[in-house]
Amino acid sequence: QSALTQPPSASGSPGQSVIISCTGTSSDVGGYNYVSWYQQHPGRPPKLMIYEVSKRPSGVPDRFSGSKSGNTASLTVSGLQAEDEADYYCISYAGSNNMLFGGGTKLTVL
Amino acid sequence: QLQLQESGPGLVKPSETLSLTCTVTGGSISSSSHYWGWIRQPPGKGLEWIGFIYSSGNTYYYKPSLKSRVTISLDTSKNQFSLKLTSVTAADTAVYYCARPVSSWFMGSDIWGQGTMVTVSS
Repeated sequence: QSALTQPPSASGSPGQSVIISCTGTSSDVGGYNYVSWYQQHPGRPPKLMIYEVSKRPSGVPDRFSGSKSGNTASLTVSGLQAEDEADYYCISYAGSNNMLFGGGTKLTVL
Repeated sequence: QLQLQESGPGLVKPSETLSLTCTVTGGSISSSSHYWGWIRQPPGKGLEWIGFIYSSGNTYYYKPSLKSRVTISLDTSKNQFSLKLTSVTAADTAVYYCARPVSSWFMGSDIWGQGTMVTVSS
């Protein structure tokens, strides 16, 4: 199975909204509501931002939201702030006791 | 507050076995109904899951492409879990993280160690 497809980069100005996509197939993203998103700053471990497509762990700002349509999941970051500049990774359950990661998206705050 | 900390050799020779330990503080790995796992990240690259083990120690899931080389186990007396990866090559050079999923093993991990860099080189 191939990795999930994410755009290599995304950008936005402070205060704007940015959407990062994560495209899979009906065997992974489209087949299960088990998509999660991580934020990772350089030299730091990943931080869970979204799980089960749209749930936020405690402490994650509501500026971060997740959704899914068909085989594509999306992470929306609203009201962009400088500290949102980071790498973002999606993951999805893929059945048969397997999980797939996206290749990552580098978000730049202009 | 639950915390995880990886430990182990930073340099492993090709064809040898990589062994890492994750020490859990602030909670018991055996009394909680959680999975415990390992994820790695090669330098400058993305994340790759390695495997997860349930707190009972009798249920585990490994990434299919690594399954033949990976063993994850619990040491409840020390409140630790460990990773063994055999027959390593340069492709196994990475930062290795231990992590605890928020619920089921595939649902994303909300607690992570700081990571430990392992280099495979002679």
